[in-house]
Amino acid sequence: GAVVSQHPSWVICKSGTSVKIECRSLDFQATTMFWYRQFPKQSLMLMATSNEGSKATYEQGVEKDKFLINHASLTLSTLTVTSAHPEDSSFYICSAAGQINSPLHFGNGTRLTVT
Amino acid sequence: AQRVTQPEKLLSVFKGAPVELKCNYSYSGSPELFWYVQYSRQRLQLLLRHISRESIKGFTADLNKGETSFHLKKPFAQEEDSAMYYCALVLYNQGGKLIFGQGTELSVKP
Repeated sequence: GAVVSQHPSWVICKSGTSVKIECRSLDFQATTMFWYRQFPKQSLMLMATSNEGSKATYEQGVEKDKFLINHASLTLSTLTVTSAHPEDSSFYICSAAGQINSPLHFGNGTRLTVT
Repeated sequence: AQRVTQPEKLLSVFKGAPVELKCNYSYSGSPELFWYVQYSRQRLQLLLRHISRESIKGFTADLNKGETSFHLKKPFAQEEDSAMYYCALVLYNQGGKLIFGQGTELSVKP
């Protein structure tokens, strides 16, 4: 079945540094990928829709300059958390669908801790 | 506005008891709904998709447009069913993004 790989699984960084998270579709091409954020014991909140070859679409309240998204190929989207702060600590999850109108498949998620 | 509501944060039952996880939605178009499950320390997995009308791991869910509900049911809960369950609505007119409910933690006690 369709597999979405996310890397790294966890990362610890210091305040003020930037962190890049990769999301890859391993056996299918994804023109669209989605980035979610999940706080402990809470639901997934959509941050942005990543479109291959064009700018990402951000949800209301998500700072596009802080959460940089690049979708340079049909199998890779990256999320860069710039100038990270402790409040950015969270679980970030990407997802992608292989075909239009097919269910999303989710990556394993990345646990980001900013100290 | 589109919205998915799961009223229960935690549902605790004993093994063998019936389970119903509630999900209500708000959507002006024709909805397509999913149930996703997240076991401890694992990724989110698709459990059910309403249009396929199948039963997975003994779980079923019926879309009730009159009540705008998509409740997840299982007649006899097992301990391995303990997990977080998320109901989700897909917006194909917005690229296929999912709107998730708040999630319900199911705890099945021995």
